[in-house]
Amino acid sequence: DAEITQSPRHKITETGRQVTLACHQTWNHNNMFWYRQDLGHGLRLIHYSYGVQDTNKGEVSDGYSVSRSNTEDLPLTLESAASSQTSVYFCASSEGGGSTGELFFGEGSRLTVL
Amino acid sequence: ELKVEQNPLFLSMQEGKNYTIYCNYSTTSDRLYWYRQDPGKSLESLFVLLSNGAVKQEGRLMASLDTKARLSTLHITAAVHDLSATYFCAASFQTSYDKVIFGPGTSLSVIP
Repeated sequence: DAEITQSPRHKITETGRQVTLACHQTWNHNNMFWYRQDLGHGLRLIHYSYGVQDTNKGEVSDGYSVSRSNTEDLPLTLESAASSQTSVYFCASSEGGGSTGELFFGEGSRLTVL
Repeated sequence: ELKVEQNPLFLSMQEGKNYTIYCNYSTTSDRLYWYRQDPGKSLESLFVLLSNGAVKQEGRLMASLDTKARLSTLHITAAVHDLSATYFCAASFQTSYDKVIFGPGTSLSVIP
């Protein structure tokens, strides 16, 4: 079955360190997204990509970067982790190309920045 | 800028009762999504509403969309404990359908 996997599922890091969260999908979807989830804010869009070599900033992109070198992967990098980036991060994908836009989510990555 | 609001944010209801969760969005969009999230889990797609007047039902849940009022509703009929979860509505820009923005979520607790 097609799926979307995130790693690591849990990570603790220190302020100032670089962190990369991996996202891999086997749906062959064009679109991939990163959201963060915090209490009281729902899910907020960080970055998204509509295809290989395409990346776009979302609502809360400061301090984060992504790259899309193939269809399957969209890694999220925190260049210099801050305590404000402690959150649960969800990767999602959608088919694109005029489809419904329905998102399929990974299991989430819980990041703690000390 | 597309913003999505939900009401109420917290809902405690008795088993067997009916209730409605409201979702308002700020700019023109005719795509609305409902997701369910159990504690500590990922999000599961419930409904995809793609046009004005769309109505979809699954079990005790029914979702509808009124694009003119920029309003979607999620109606719960005869609630059971298994429906306890957080429900998110989300909408996408009419000019960029694939970019989906979420509301803050409604935390539903169904009590005996």
